[in-house]
Amino acid sequence: GAGVSQSPSNKVTEKGKDVELRCDPISGHTALYWYRQRLGQGLEFLIYFQGNSAPDKSGLPSDRFSAERTGESVSTLTIQRTQQEDSAVYLCASSLAGHYEQYFGPGTRLTVT
Amino acid sequence: GDSVTQMEGPVTLSEEAFLTINCTYTATGYPSLFWYVQYPGEGLQLLLKATKADDKGSNKGFEATYRKETTSFHLEKGSVQVSDSAVYFCALREASGSARQLTFGSGTQLTVLP
Repeated sequence: GAGVSQSPSNKVTEKGKDVELRCDPISGHTALYWYRQRLGQGLEFLIYFQGNSAPDKSGLPSDRFSAERTGESVSTLTIQRTQQEDSAVYLCASSLAGHYEQYFGPGTRLTVT
Repeated sequence: GDSVTQMEGPVTLSEEAFLTINCTYTATGYPSLFWYVQYPGEGLQLLLKATKADDKGSNKGFEATYRKETTSFHLEKGSVQVSDSAVYFCALREASGSARQLTFGSGTQLTVLP
């Protein structure tokens, strides 16, 4: 079946612009995660959605970052007034509730010029 | 907070060589431990996991043993292949609380030469 998909695969934007990244989780997966991977570093947790519960936003680095999820489907990560330090690969993952295995999408490579 | 430290790369080996990628962690309680692999141009995939002390995770010839006394989860493979060339990430998940996210190491790039 279809895995986690993300769009766009690459995004180049100018400093100060807003960007929106999209994630389509695996159908039936109630949990959804966003991570950020800076060059040469591991993945940093950003935000976690589980069903209709309030999201865990503890990893968002600033108030310029926000994310939404409609029910148990698509999620969008929005970065306002992008800065050069926002340049990274943004990864989305989904899982069944209570399961350890997270399935990752291919990521969106964001470059802020 | 929780953290994962893994062996810095890149690592270059010849085919059929023995592989070890070291991973140590800092966490409260007894987290679950994972190795993820990212092949070129693909997303991260779970390679193996261990959920309690002394458990051994294994998959595709790779193994890792959860060592509580040394807080380690080293990845090993007896004979690597060119197709094993990838980036390997060690990760943990807290044992308790509501946190479900993974905490990752920085990744180790492995290149296997024919």
